Amino acid sequence: DGGITQSPKYLFRKEGQNVTLSCEQNLNHDAMYWYRQDPGQGLRLIYYSQIVNDFQKGDIAEGYSVSREKKESFPLTVTSAQKNPTAFYLCASLTGGYGELFFGEGSRLTVL
Amino acid sequence: AQTVTQSQPEMSVQEAETVTLSCTYDTSESDYYLFWYKQPPSRQMILVIRQEAYKQQNATENRFSVNFQKAAKSFSLKISDSQLGDAAMYFCAYRPMYSGGGADGLTFGKGTHLIIQP
Repeated sequence: DGGITQSPKYLFRKEGQNVTLSCEQNLNHDAMYWYRQDPGQGLRLIYYSQIVNDFQKGDIAEGYSVSREKKESFPLTVTSAQKNPTAFYLCASLTGGYGELFFGEGSRLTVL
Repeated sequence: AQTVTQSQPEMSVQEAETVTLSCTYDTSESDYYLFWYKQPPSRQMILVIRQEAYKQQNATENRFSVNFQKAAKSFSLKISDSQLGDAAMYFCAYRPMYSGGGADGLTFGKGTHLIIQP
């Protein structure tokens, strides 16, 4: 079945460490997105990529980095420069029809 | 910049009754899409319903329907015959039809927590 796989589902990090969240899709979608979700904040866009080897900053890109070497993969690195990284992270891809996003199950990052 | 506002942080409804969740948005675009997403306790975002701004007819999906008022920039979600499985966070979202150089991603409201009372 087609879908988006995010891993790990839960991740704990010590302060000062970088951590990478994986996002893989087999939907053959060109555009992919990373959102951050905090209680009471809705979803905020971190980075997006409309095509391989190209990506753009979203509204809250500081302290994060991404790569898009393959169409299927869009990993997100949370760097030590991110001051408040504890959050729920959602990866999504864009369907070609009406432009809705299809989401993965998310990754919960906790900084200890 | 587009904004999406959900003015009800939390709503409660009795099982089998009807509830309406409110959403307003601000945009200068004339062609766009609007969506309602559901996020159950599992945290995965699920598309509930979508509406194209150029369509006057309100979208309907089984027990879910919308009241789209383009002039008022209002997009409310009505859930009929509420069921326990409807309990979730509901997010309203907007996307321009022609994104140009901007992000193709959606702009989300902050969500409404829907509680279903048995």
